[in-house]
Amino acid sequence: DGGITQSPKYLFRKEGQNVTLSCEQNLNHDAMYWYRQDPGQGLRLIYYSQIVNDFQKGDIAEGYSVSREKKESFPLTVTSAQKNPTAFYLCASSMTSGSSYEQYFGPGTRLTVT
Amino acid sequence: AQSVAQPEDQVNVAEGNPLTVKCTYSVSGNPYLFWYVQYPNRGLQFLLKYITGDNLVKGSYGFEAEFNKSQTSFHLKKPSALVSDSALYFCAVRDNTNAGKSTFGDGTTLTVKP
Repeated sequence: DGGITQSPKYLFRKEGQNVTLSCEQNLNHDAMYWYRQDPGQGLRLIYYSQIVNDFQKGDIAEGYSVSREKKESFPLTVTSAQKNPTAFYLCASSMTSGSSYEQYFGPGTRLTVT
Repeated sequence: AQSVAQPEDQVNVAEGNPLTVKCTYSVSGNPYLFWYVQYPNRGLQFLLKYITGDNLVKGSYGFEAEFNKSQTSFHLKKPSALVSDSALYFCAVRDNTNAGKSTFGDGTTLTVKP
């Protein structure tokens, strides 16, 4: 089956620890995205990447880091510098040409930091 | 800067009645517009999009949306609502000059009562 996988589904960490969220896609999409979802605030873009070895900051990049070493993978690290990391994190991918710009989303990772 | 407004946090309709979920946007250049649906604790699923062509676009599960350039709107509609349509709906916009970056609205919770 083609799609996007995120792991784990639930993640618990102590304050002060860095944590890495996994995102893998087998859709052969060039672009990948990370969003944060908080109740009542919709989706906010953290980072996005349109090509391997290149990525751009989104609207709320502070306290987060990413890498894009392979087309299929776009891991997100939530660092201890992120002041309020508890949230639902969604990864997505899309094509970057033609008219198929819609994004395909993974099932999400719910991160709780205490 | 591009933006999306979903003016209603909540829409309630009775099963069998028509439904409308509103969306207005602001973007420089020609807009690419999308609707997504999110079921509880899941990722978003793509419903439909407007890129160019007919102003009325049809999508999954019987949903449709009308692009209105003069009113900068892209309202989601369905002629006859089902209880299973109850979910959180997001409108998103992307312009053709801001490569790769979409902006999402805050979401509208649709509740269809039997």
